[in-house]
Amino acid sequence: DTGVSQDPRHKITKRGQNVTFRCDPISEHNRLYWYRQTLGQGPEFLTYFQNEAQLEKSRLLSDRFSAERPKGSFSTLEIQRTEQGDSAMYLCASSLGGRTGGEFAYEQYFGPGTRLTVT
Amino acid sequence: GESVGLHLPTLSVQEGDNSIINCAYSNSASDYFIWYKQESGKGPQFIIDIRSNMDKRQGQRVTVLLNKTVKHLSLQIAATQPGDSAVYFCPRGGLKGGFKTIFGAGTRLFVKA
Repeated sequence: DTGVSQDPRHKITKRGQNVTFRCDPISEHNRLYWYRQTLGQGPEFLTYFQNEAQLEKSRLLSDRFSAERPKGSFSTLEIQRTEQGDSAMYLCASSLGGRTGGEFAYEQYFGPGTRLTVT
Repeated sequence: GESVGLHLPTLSVQEGDNSIINCAYSNSASDYFIWYKQESGKGPQFIIDIRSNMDKRQGQRVTVLLNKTVKHLSLQIAATQPGDSAVYFCPRGGLKGGFKTIFGAGTRLFVKA
């Protein structure tokens, strides 16, 4: 399977603990996005990378959250001192910037997500 | 400001009928619009997109219509099937390259057998 993968798929942690999620994008995609989704809502943008550069962060991304993409391939999202309000599905997506073959190439390909439960 | 909104939170259709999911937008600066489908337990999946200089685009069983005059976007699904049951989103695509995609709450489509 050459789609976007995320690990782990589920994580249960106690309040105050740190957690780290990993995302492996589609290999030729230079753009990578993190979103958070709660029940009944659409994905909320958290941050965006182009290659290894983090170009935009949402105000939702407090100082307890940090994301990296050290070599422009996989990315990690770390949440420090987790709170119950952090419980959500964390989605990763990737895209290929620019046009390919004349067709639009702006669509994002999403992974299955990591469901975080903070108890 | 900008907003992405859908007219109805839920839509129920009979299997075999056509479905129309509507979306309104307020920011005319969008250069393209994308429809995503999210099935339960999965990440959103790209369905179809349309550039702002187009009025209509067709895919397999789906058609997207863009009315820039009234800032309205619609997704039409022909011969709706049970597998079409999902939440549909029409996020604003943002600048070229698609970063900071802004999703709304979506419309949940129920297909009755």
